[in-house]
Amino acid sequence: DAGVIQSPRHEVTEMGQEVTLRCKPISGHNSLFWYRQTMMRGLELLIYFNNNVPIDDSGMPEDRFSAKMPNASFSTLKIQPSEPRDSAVYFCASSSRVGNTIYFGEGSWLTVV
Amino acid sequence: RKEVEQDPGPFNVPEGATVAFNCTYSNSASQSFFWYRQDCRKEPKLLMSVYSSGNEDGRFTAQLNRASQYISLLIRDSKLSDSATYLCVVRINTDKLIFGTGTRLQVFP
Repeated sequence: DAGVIQSPRHEVTEMGQEVTLRCKPISGHNSLFWYRQTMMRGLELLIYFNNNVPIDDSGMPEDRFSAKMPNASFSTLKIQPSEPRDSAVYFCASSSRVGNTIYFGEGSWLTVV
Repeated sequence: RKEVEQDPGPFNVPEGATVAFNCTYSNSASQSFFWYRQDCRKEPKLLMSVYSSGNEDGRFTAQLNRASQYISLLIRDSKLSDSATYLCVVRINTDKLIFGTGTRLQVFP
Protein backbone atom coordinates (compact mmCIF):
# COMPACT_ATOMS: atom_id res chain seq x y z
CA ASP A 1 0.00 0.00 0.00
CA ALA A 2 1.25 3.45 -0.88
CA GLY A 3 1.84 5.68 2.08
CA VAL A 4 1.92 9.45 2.13
CA ILE A 5 4.07 10.59 -0.77
CA GLN A 6 6.05 13.80 -0.63
CA SER A 7 8.20 15.57 -3.16
CA PRO A 8 10.85 16.71 -3.48
CA ARG A 9 12.71 14.62 -0.92
CA HIS A 10 15.57 17.07 -0.82
CA GLU A 11 15.83 20.64 -2.01
CA VAL A 12 18.57 23.20 -1.76
CA THR A 13 17.63 26.68 -2.85
CA GLU A 14 18.89 30.22 -2.59
CA MET A 15 17.38 32.78 -0.31
CA GLY A 16 14.57 34.66 -2.00
CA GLN A 17 13.53 31.80 -4.26
CA GLU A 18 10.08 30.25 -4.20
CA VAL A 19 9.82 26.74 -2.80
CA THR A 20 6.89 24.42 -3.45
CA LEU A 21 6.52 21.20 -1.51
CA ARG A 22 4.01 18.58 -2.63
CA CYS A 23 2.05 15.90 -0.86
CA LYS A 24 -0.21 13.05 -1.88
CA PRO A 25 -2.09 11.67 1.13
CA ILE A 26 -3.06 8.04 1.57
CA SER A 27 -6.03 7.27 -0.65
CA GLY A 28 -9.27 7.58 1.29
CA HIS A 29 -7.79 9.74 4.01
CA ASN A 30 -9.66 13.00 4.45
CA SER A 31 -7.45 14.84 6.95
CA LEU A 32 -4.08 16.22 5.89
CA PHE A 33 -1.44 17.88 8.03
CA TRP A 34 1.73 19.85 7.32
CA TYR A 35 4.43 19.78 10.01
CA ARG A 36 7.88 21.34 10.18
CA GLN A 37 10.71 19.80 12.20
CA THR A 38 13.88 21.51 13.40
CA MET A 39 16.39 20.57 16.07
CA MET A 40 15.49 23.58 18.17
CA ARG A 41 11.70 23.52 17.96
CA GLY A 42 10.89 19.88 17.22
CA LEU A 43 7.76 19.05 15.24
CA GLU A 44 5.42 22.00 14.76
CA LEU A 45 1.99 21.79 13.16
CA LEU A 46 1.76 24.41 10.43
CA ILE A 47 -1.71 23.79 9.04
CA TYR A 48 -4.24 21.03 8.62
CA PHE A 49 -7.10 20.32 6.25
CA ASN A 50 -10.24 18.29 6.66
CA ASN A 51 -12.06 17.31 3.46
CA ASN A 52 -9.78 19.72 1.54
CA VAL A 53 -10.80 22.69 3.71
CA PRO A 54 -8.15 24.43 5.86
CA ILE A 55 -9.26 24.08 9.47
CA ASP A 56 -6.41 25.58 11.48
CA ASP A 57 -3.53 27.56 10.01
CA SER A 58 -2.45 29.19 13.26
CA GLY A 59 0.91 27.45 13.03
CA MET A 60 1.85 29.02 9.72
CA PRO A 61 4.79 31.22 10.66
CA GLU A 62 4.07 34.20 8.44
CA ASP A 63 2.61 35.39 5.18
CA ARG A 64 5.49 33.93 3.23
CA PHE A 65 3.95 30.52 3.85
CA SER A 66 0.81 29.33 2.10
CA ALA A 67 -0.84 25.94 1.69
CA LYS A 68 -3.52 24.64 -0.63
CA MET A 69 -5.43 21.45 -1.10
CA PRO A 70 -7.23 21.65 -4.45
CA ASN A 71 -8.49 18.06 -4.23
CA ALA A 72 -8.49 15.05 -1.96
CA SER A 73 -5.29 13.61 -3.38
CA PHE A 74 -2.97 16.59 -3.52
CA SER A 75 -1.68 19.41 -1.34
CA THR A 76 1.08 21.99 -1.65
CA LEU A 77 3.03 24.06 0.83
CA LYS A 78 4.64 27.11 -0.69
CA ILE A 79 7.27 29.44 0.74
CA GLN A 80 7.81 32.70 -1.09
CA PRO A 81 10.33 34.22 -0.66
CA SER A 82 12.36 31.59 1.17
CA GLU A 83 14.82 32.49 3.93
CA PRO A 84 17.68 30.54 5.56
CA ARG A 85 15.64 30.16 8.75
CA ASP A 86 13.09 28.14 6.77
CA SER A 87 15.62 25.32 6.51
CA ALA A 88 13.95 22.30 8.10
CA VAL A 89 12.29 18.99 7.35
CA TYR A 90 8.72 19.46 6.23
CA PHE A 91 6.44 16.49 6.86
CA CYS A 92 3.05 15.88 5.39
CA ALA A 93 0.73 13.47 7.21
CA SER A 94 -2.77 12.15 6.71
CA SER A 95 -5.44 10.32 8.66
CA SER A 96 -8.59 8.51 7.67
CA ARG A 97 -10.82 10.46 9.97
CA VAL A 98 -10.51 13.19 12.49
CA GLY A 99 -9.10 11.65 15.64
CA ASN A 100 -7.55 8.62 14.02
CA THR A 101 -3.87 7.75 13.81
CA ILE A 102 -1.92 10.00 11.47
CA TYR A 103 0.65 8.62 9.06
CA PHE A 104 3.64 10.65 7.98
CA GLY A 105 5.38 10.91 4.66
CA GLU A 106 9.16 10.60 4.49
CA GLY A 107 9.57 14.36 4.59
CA SER A 108 11.00 17.06 2.36
CA TRP A 109 14.46 18.19 3.51
CA LEU A 110 14.77 21.88 2.69
CA THR A 111 17.97 23.89 2.86
CA VAL A 112 17.88 27.59 2.04
CA VAL A 113 21.30 29.14 1.56
CA ARG B 1 6.21 27.08 28.66
CA LYS B 2 6.05 24.41 25.98
CA GLU B 3 2.79 22.52 25.67
CA VAL B 4 4.58 19.17 25.79
CA GLU B 5 7.92 18.84 27.54
CA GLN B 6 10.40 15.99 27.45
CA ASP B 7 13.93 15.42 28.63
CA PRO B 8 15.93 15.45 25.36
CA GLY B 9 18.45 12.90 26.64
CA PRO B 10 20.36 11.14 25.25
CA PHE B 11 19.76 8.10 27.37
CA ASN B 12 22.63 5.68 26.81
CA VAL B 13 21.77 2.21 28.13
CA PRO B 14 23.20 -1.30 27.65
CA GLU B 15 21.24 -4.04 25.96
CA GLY B 16 18.84 -5.69 28.37
CA ALA B 17 18.40 -2.60 30.53
CA THR B 18 15.10 -1.07 31.53
CA VAL B 19 14.69 2.59 30.68
CA ALA B 20 11.89 5.07 31.37
CA PHE B 21 10.98 8.32 29.68
CA ASN B 22 8.75 10.99 31.11
CA CYS B 23 6.69 13.72 29.56
CA THR B 24 4.55 16.52 30.95
CA TYR B 25 1.83 18.47 29.20
CA SER B 26 0.37 21.84 30.07
CA ASN B 27 -3.15 21.78 28.62
CA SER B 28 -5.55 20.14 31.05
CA ALA B 29 -8.09 19.80 28.22
CA SER B 30 -5.85 17.35 26.39
CA GLN B 31 -7.92 14.43 25.25
CA SER B 32 -5.63 11.63 24.21
CA PHE B 33 -2.00 10.70 24.34
CA PHE B 34 0.53 8.77 22.30
CA TRP B 35 4.14 7.79 21.97
CA TYR B 36 5.68 8.00 18.54
CA ARG B 37 9.07 6.68 17.53
CA GLN B 38 11.36 8.44 15.08
CA ASP B 39 14.47 6.84 13.66
CA CYS B 40 17.35 8.99 12.47
CA ARG B 41 16.44 10.83 9.26
CA LYS B 42 13.07 9.08 9.08
CA GLU B 43 9.46 10.06 9.68
CA PRO B 44 7.71 9.61 13.05
CA LYS B 45 5.66 6.44 13.44
CA LEU B 46 3.06 5.58 16.05
CA LEU B 47 4.50 3.36 18.77
CA MET B 48 1.48 3.13 21.04
CA SER B 49 -1.47 5.00 22.43
CA VAL B 50 -1.58 5.79 26.14
CA TYR B 51 -4.72 4.92 28.05
CA SER B 52 -5.81 6.19 31.43
CA SER B 53 -5.50 2.77 33.04
CA GLY B 54 -2.04 2.24 31.60
CA ASN B 55 -1.29 -0.20 28.83
CA GLU B 56 1.37 -2.60 27.72
CA ASP B 57 2.57 -3.76 24.33
CA GLY B 58 5.25 -6.41 24.65
CA ARG B 59 8.29 -4.81 26.25
CA PHE B 60 6.69 -1.37 26.23
CA THR B 61 4.48 0.03 28.98
CA ALA B 62 2.79 3.42 28.86
CA GLN B 63 1.15 5.21 31.75
CA LEU B 64 -0.87 8.38 32.14
CA ASN B 65 -1.42 10.50 35.22
CA ARG B 66 -4.06 13.09 34.37
CA ALA B 67 -3.91 14.76 37.78
CA SER B 68 -0.20 15.48 37.38
CA GLN B 69 -0.44 15.88 33.59
CA TYR B 70 2.31 13.36 33.19
CA ILE B 71 2.92 10.52 30.73
CA SER B 72 5.58 7.84 30.86
CA LEU B 73 7.03 5.13 28.64
CA LEU B 74 8.92 2.16 30.06
CA ILE B 75 11.01 -0.09 27.86
CA ARG B 76 12.11 -3.41 29.34
CA ASP B 77 14.93 -5.62 28.05
CA SER B 78 16.23 -2.94 25.68
CA LYS B 79 17.36 -4.05 22.23
CA LEU B 80 19.84 -2.36 19.92
CA SER B 81 16.92 -1.78 17.55
CA ASP B 82 15.17 0.34 20.19
CA SER B 83 17.70 3.11 19.53
CA ALA B 84 15.62 6.03 18.27
CA THR B 85 13.97 9.25 19.40
CA TYR B 86 10.72 8.82 21.31
CA LEU B 87 8.16 11.58 20.88
CA CYS B 88 5.46 12.27 23.43
CA VAL B 89 2.27 13.41 21.69
CA VAL B 90 -0.88 15.02 23.02
CA ARG B 91 -4.16 15.54 21.19
CA ILE B 92 -5.61 18.92 22.19
CA ASN B 93 -8.87 18.66 20.30
CA THR B 94 -10.16 16.12 17.86
CA ASP B 95 -7.65 17.11 15.21
CA LYS B 96 -4.62 18.76 16.63
CA LEU B 97 -1.61 16.68 17.68
CA ILE B 98 1.11 18.47 19.63
CA PHE B 99 4.51 16.79 19.68
CA GLY B 100 7.23 17.03 22.27
CA THR B 101 10.76 17.56 21.00
CA GLY B 102 11.62 13.95 21.77
CA THR B 103 13.90 11.90 23.98
CA ARG B 104 16.82 10.21 22.29
CA LEU B 105 17.65 6.64 23.28
CA GLN B 106 20.88 4.90 22.38
CA VAL B 107 21.19 1.22 23.30
CA PHE B 108 24.74 -0.12 23.21
CA PRO B 109 25.99 -3.73 23.12
